[in-house]
Amino acid sequence: GQQVMQIPQYQHVQEGEDFTTYCNSSTTLSNIQWYKQRPGGHPVFLIQLVKSGEVKKQKRLTFQFGEAKKNSSLHITATQTTDVGTYFCAGQGGTSYGKLTFGQGTILTVHP
Amino acid sequence: DAGITQSPRHKVTETGTPVTLRCHQTENHRYMYWYRQDPGHGLRLIHYSYGVKDTDKGEVSDGYSVSRSKTEDFLLTLESATSSQTSVYFCAISAGLINTGELFFGEGSRLTVL
Repeated sequence: GQQVMQIPQYQHVQEGEDFTTYCNSSTTLSNIQWYKQRPGGHPVFLIQLVKSGEVKKQKRLTFQFGEAKKNSSLHITATQTTDVGTYFCAGQGGTSYGKLTFGQGTILTVHP
Repeated sequence: DAGITQSPRHKVTETGTPVTLRCHQTENHRYMYWYRQDPGHGLRLIHYSYGVKDTDKGEVSDGYSVSRSKTEDFLLTLESATSSQTSVYFCAISAGLINTGELFFGEGSRLTVL
């Protein structure tokens, strides 16, 4: 079945440093989504990428979808303590009707 | 907020007992999902529903059953709970009549099986 690998599992940064998490799928995806989960909370949708090579920005967050639609990345510029949490990518292949396959997540800790 | 309520939010039970988790939504969404979250595994799909009485298995469905007799309720049942089913369970919906892919999650139900 479809597998989505996400690295790194943990990332500790000083406030102000940049952060990147990477996601790789074993199969070509129709779209990829990113979610953020604050400690003790539930996953919250951030963005969806659909097109090959697509790049989207949300303030300090930059999301990329690879040309082959098998990999993606999330980059945060100048992290803040409010960025703390777990970031998940989730891939959807073909007509799987929302049957997203989630990566293992990257736990981000930001030290003030 | 997509109007999703999970109950109970916390439950401690013993091995071998049946457990039912309820997911209730108020906005008539067609697609509903049950995921479990465990450290190092992300979120894994247990079962999902695409309408009343229409359900299908996800990647980790063994030991779980679901029912959806009304649009607003999606029940997850562990017929005989085991310690390996200790986890945080999230219900999710996909908004709209046509699945957009974007998921909205409930607050989660933390289950401990002793």
